[in-house]
Amino acid sequence: DAGVIQSPRHEVTEMGQEVTLRCKPISGHNSLFWYRQTMMRGLELLIYFNNNVPIDDSGMPEDRFSAKMPNASFSTLKIQPSEPRDSAVYFCASSLAIGSYGELFFGEGSRLTVL
Amino acid sequence: SQQGEEDPQALSIQEGENATMNCSYKTSINNLQWYRQNSGRGLVHLILIRSNEREKHSGRLRVTLDTSKKSSSLLITASRAADTASYFCATGPNDYKLSFGAGTTVTVRA
Repeated sequence: DAGVIQSPRHEVTEMGQEVTLRCKPISGHNSLFWYRQTMMRGLELLIYFNNNVPIDDSGMPEDRFSAKMPNASFSTLKIQPSEPRDSAVYFCASSLAIGSYGELFFGEGSRLTVL
Repeated sequence: SQQGEEDPQALSIQEGENATMNCSYKTSINNLQWYRQNSGRGLVHLILIRSNEREKHSGRLRVTLDTSKKSSSLLITASRAADTASYFCATGPNDYKLSFGAGTTVTVRA
């Protein structure tokens, strides 16, 4: 099993640029999560999809952030325009089912640095 | 706001010793999960304990849950260098809105 795959692993960009982070969940998992991790705030849930539908995006910081899940095997998190305070590690996680007390399977993360 | 809060923030122990860390949470929960994160890596699920369970074991891990005190503990017995990592508890009001604490950083000295 390949696990949750994220790309890129590292991204350095300049303020104002568009950033797109990608995630491939584990095959068969129907729930997908985007988290952001910083020293100051710890791990924050940004958005949660169930069966490709966004269920809760209350954690998305502002309109500069958007997430899509066009099919069961792919999701993107986009930041446009990026700002230095967006610098963080972004994690994608997937789960087999909600309501079954499922564990989350995390990818290795995408470390974003905005200069 | 974070639902779970780990204590202590950091822990340094000798290889072979036990490591204990605690998690306190604020609201009622369905279950509580513990995760490990090695430096520069993603989180890995360790163990899940349901709200109607009081203790659970998995290998060298022992987790307890006291819902009356809204607290949980994770015990790692006979620690190894490979146990050096950050440990997080995760809880939430429902199954998907998990909230992670700030974590306990454990260093196991050889």
